[in-house]
Amino acid sequence: QKEVEQNSGPLSVPEGAIASLNCTYSDRGSQSFFWYRQYSGKSPELIMFIYSNGDKEDGRFTAQLNKASQYVSLLIRDSQPSDSATYLCAVTGGFKTIFGAGTRLFVKA
Amino acid sequence: DVKVTQSSRYLVKRTGEKVFLECVQDMDHENMFWYRQDPGLGLRLIYFSYDVKMKEKGDIPEGYSVSREKKERFSLILESASTNQTSMYLCASTLGTGETDTQYFGPGTRLTVL
Repeated sequence: QKEVEQNSGPLSVPEGAIASLNCTYSDRGSQSFFWYRQYSGKSPELIMFIYSNGDKEDGRFTAQLNKASQYVSLLIRDSQPSDSATYLCAVTGGFKTIFGAGTRLFVKA
Repeated sequence: DVKVTQSSRYLVKRTGEKVFLECVQDMDHENMFWYRQDPGLGLRLIYFSYDVKMKEKGDIPEGYSVSREKKERFSLILESASTNQTSMYLCASTLGTGETDTQYFGPGTRLTVL
């Protein structure tokens, strides 16, 4: 059974701090990795994807991928209260995408 | 912008009823997906379709069927609804089969089976 594991949280950080969200996956053949944000009562929306080892930056967000360790993370710099949401890690191989259960993030003003 | 719409935001049905959930996307996407989302379990794939009239089982297809007669429309059918099918149902679409394809989600249907 292919799995994607995330700490369910909640993760609480003060406004302006760096939030670090982590994800591990079991299928070594996985090729693309996504982070989605889901606000309460809403559907997931893409933050960013990464498919090469290393870091990828987009504004305040940085995705990090380590395929040898089967580990992907998302860093949110200068966290804002509006970043409070559930963050879903997703891993793709072929047609299918496997989602983690998500980490709840609270950013305290 | 890609738009994915679902027929209902909230639905209440009785055990044993046949339930239809419909999803429509307006960006000519090839692939469409049905997920259910339950607390602590994340998003689980029920069925997906990569072409008109084509369908593939996901991880939890039991108790569900699907129909894709037109490219833009993907329907999920609960043949005989049961209380354990109470959940949030999310439809999604992707443009193609490229590894970097983003899933675009509809707003979701919260189904309650009494």
